[in-house]
Amino acid sequence: DAGVTQSPTHLIKTRGQQVTLRCSPKSGHDTVSWYQQALGQGPQFIFQYYEEEERQRGNFPDRFSGHQFPNYSSELNVNALLLGDSALYLCASSSLGRKIYGYTFGSGTRLTVV
Amino acid sequence: AQTVTQSQPEMSVQEAETVTLSCTYDTSESDYYLFWYKQPPSRQMILVIRQEAYKQQNATENRFSVNFQKAAKSFSLKISDSQLGDAAMYFCAYRSEILGNEKLTFGTGTRLTIIP
Repeated sequence: DAGVTQSPTHLIKTRGQQVTLRCSPKSGHDTVSWYQQALGQGPQFIFQYYEEEERQRGNFPDRFSGHQFPNYSSELNVNALLLGDSALYLCASSSLGRKIYGYTFGSGTRLTVV
Repeated sequence: AQTVTQSQPEMSVQEAETVTLSCTYDTSESDYYLFWYKQPPSRQMILVIRQEAYKQQNATENRFSVNFQKAAKSFSLKISDSQLGDAAMYFCAYRSEILGNEKLTFGTGTRLTIIP
């Protein structure tokens, strides 16, 4: 039973560029959340997708956008990259309405903006 | 808004000994969930233990147990018989019970070192 899969594992982008990160949730999960983890910090919630809609959003600018596909996989897009966007981006999947221990995290995408 | 505070940036313990990691949180809600996650160098967040606020009994998972003090808003993690594989970053996290507010709010983490 595959867990959460994220791609790519590492990425280097230039300031001002755009980036797309991808996440495939654990089998049986229908909800995907994205978190940003700066170096030495705890993860910060970006947004959550369920039924292809953004269900909840954290305190991130509109440069951060996402999408969920009918197969429950998700993308995180960041436009006009800033140096401060350099971080580990974690995807977590769950099943809305099921028991709380349903959260499963991927190993993340390390984004470096130069 | 809820906040989670971990006041110990780093902790170390001798192998086979016991260590306690501290966590406090602030919320006005009465029903919620608390978690401890472990993040090894592989970067994946691994659930260690969870606690439902409505349960008075402290959660335990093998060598891991918590001391949940709801009135004091304290949620510490005790690791018994520490093993080298326990070395990692440990994050305390809060999740509201309110539907539509399922995000996790994390603390800043505690780096645990196991001394052989």
